[in-house]
Amino acid sequence: GQQLNQSPQSMFIQEGEDVSMNCTSSSIFNTWLWYKQDPGEGPVLLIALYKAGELTSNGRLTAQFGITRKDSFLNISASIPSDVGIYFCAGRLHYGGATNKLIFGTGTLLAVQP
Amino acid sequence: KAGVTQTPRYLIKTRGQQVTLSCSPISGHRSVSWYQQTPGQGLQFLFEYFSETQRNKGNFPGRFSGRQFSNSRSEMNVSTLELGDSALYLCASSIGTSGANNEQFFGPGTRLTVL
Repeated sequence: GQQLNQSPQSMFIQEGEDVSMNCTSSSIFNTWLWYKQDPGEGPVLLIALYKAGELTSNGRLTAQFGITRKDSFLNISASIPSDVGIYFCAGRLHYGGATNKLIFGTGTLLAVQP
Repeated sequence: KAGVTQTPRYLIKTRGQQVTLSCSPISGHRSVSWYQQTPGQGLQFLFEYFSETQRNKGNFPGRFSGRQFSNSRSEMNVSTLELGDSALYLCASSIGTSGANNEQFFGPGTRLTVL
């Protein structure tokens, strides 16, 4: 199945450090999304981006929609232990019609040591 | 407002059996999508329903099917189960089918194990 290239695959950091992860695609997207998934749970939406170049923040999280519409990044500042989880990017495609179909990235596992 | 609910949360079946999973979307949401999550393939789109109509389908065999009811609740069915169907099946709901602020909210998933 189709997946977006997400990096890094995993990160092991100390509490208080900043984190950066990115996602690239060979296809253009109209919408970029970032989700976090905890073990045994479904993904939770963190940030949604709708326009090329858009920079959006949600608390300590900041995400950007790449100018080429083929990439996006997510930054987490001053990480805390509850940031632990798997982070997924997702792109939404429009084939000339409305759709909710999401293409997900391969995920970034984040571990934060207190 | 209650979130997306999925039942059952865990299921164990044997090869050749069939299974039906259920999803209740957030109140007021009319679109439901299903995804399969496995360690090898990650999150893969299965299908999308809006107003009881399938609007989009992923690249899965015909053994995977779904439907949506008039109250927007959805079910997905997998027939003739194979070992490779073991996965976390996620349901997501949204208000409609397009536009900004129409994002999908996921349920906790149903963990299916095929023995």
